[in-house]
Amino acid sequence: GAGVSQSPSNKVTEKGKDVELRCDPISGHTALYWYRQSLGQGLEFLIYFQGNSAPDKSGLPSDRFSAERTGGSVSTLTIQRTQQEDSAVYLCASTHRASYGYTFGSGTRLTVV
Amino acid sequence: AQTVTQSQPEMSVQEAETVTLSCTYDTSESDYYLFWYKQPPSRQMILVIRQEAYKQQNATENRFSVNFQKAAKSFSLKISDSQLGDAAMYFCAYRSAGSGNTPLVFGKGTRLSVIA
Repeated sequence: GAGVSQSPSNKVTEKGKDVELRCDPISGHTALYWYRQSLGQGLEFLIYFQGNSAPDKSGLPSDRFSAERTGGSVSTLTIQRTQQEDSAVYLCASTHRASYGYTFGSGTRLTVV
Repeated sequence: AQTVTQSQPEMSVQEAETVTLSCTYDTSESDYYLFWYKQPPSRQMILVIRQEAYKQQNATENRFSVNFQKAAKSFSLKISDSQLGDAAMYFCAYRSAGSGNTPLVFGKGTRLSVIA
């Protein structure tokens, strides 16, 4: 596609429920990243996928967070048993060469009530 | 681990004036890339400018330029002739030049207001 697409744009969920956030990167971009942006904070790295290699999960804050990337394209970030502290904007980005910078999506604002 | 520090949580500038946003970083590496991203209220991060550490010449993109001081590990962004559309959060970011597409490390951002 022309850009990185994320859905939903906004999500309100009850504490304890599971949520899935979707990212559709730019076609041909081999690297895909998930970041979390809490209110008034910078971007916190969560996970990244590079081609067919095993993902770098070093930024995932707990085992309630997981992500997959199917067919080297679309990625889904899953948060199980959501907590209020999970409320944030989740940003996805992709690139074919990180030294050139990323292309970001518009993010999903997650609110846990 | 590398860290990026933006010491100015908020800045303001009069329209048509010049403003400089500060960024420092900590690394033991000699080769890396630095970036400035803009995040308007729409939330979408937009790449403003990038700098390769091995280049001594400061990068410039229209009204945006950087002052890259490698020894001081400083990477400030200068916005000339500020416009209302420049109002946004600005994030400084660092990336190692190693193999693969290792993630960017971001600072906490500076919120820039432009006063008409």
